[in-house]
Amino acid sequence: SYELTQPPSVSVSPGQTASITCSGDKLGDKYACWYQQKPGQSPVLVIYQDSKRPSGIPERFSGSNSGNTATLTISGTQAMDEADYYCQAWDEGVVFGGGTKLTVL
Amino acid sequence: EVQLVESGGVVVQPGGSLRLSCAASGFTFDDYAMHWVRQAPGKGLEWVSLISWDGGSTYYADSVKGRFTISRDNSKNSLYLQMNSLRAEDTALYYCAKDMGLRGSYGDAFDIWGQGTMVTVSS
Repeated sequence: SYELTQPPSVSVSPGQTASITCSGDKLGDKYACWYQQKPGQSPVLVIYQDSKRPSGIPERFSGSNSGNTATLTISGTQAMDEADYYCQAWDEGVVFGGGTKLTVL
Repeated sequence: EVQLVESGGVVVQPGGSLRLSCAASGFTFDDYAMHWVRQAPGKGLEWVSLISWDGGSTYYADSVKGRFTISRDNSKNSLYLQMNSLRAEDTALYYCAKDMGLRGSYGDAFDIWGQGTMVTVSS
């Protein structure tokens, strides 16, 4: 079965750029999306179709997808961005990555 | 307001059955595929099942195939998940989620999520 691999944790200083990767076999041939989930809340879509932002998502969130890796980039990271982030793709069913805990310190 | 509201989660014994419901409002329900996604306590997201806009196509995760059945009633703007032969590892918060794709397109992303309903399988 298809697997998506994310680093368990990423740390970033406020105002700096955070990058979270998601790896899967030929992931660049599929669409990837990203969700943000804060404690006690439902997931929120922040990037879809590799690099598109839904309405209401700040411009500091961006995405890319090529080869075997999709990347979520948060520029000028703020304390409010501290959350778990999940990548997702489709391969004969929906597949989620294991999630990455982003710490802003 | 676009909204999904899940219900039906309870404590159930191993081997038992349960039906979850999800009431949709604020969008044209029968234009979109719908999904169930679960999250065990302290764990990540796990996709459970998908049903196409018209109910004609369904997909399941291997972990629930043969035990769970997804269905929808477009006249009632409602999504369901029939869960049979429940196991301890089915214990999770179950979310329903709306697919972004219109009609025949699905699987790329979920743009609306409910608040979830908790299912606990324990004796």
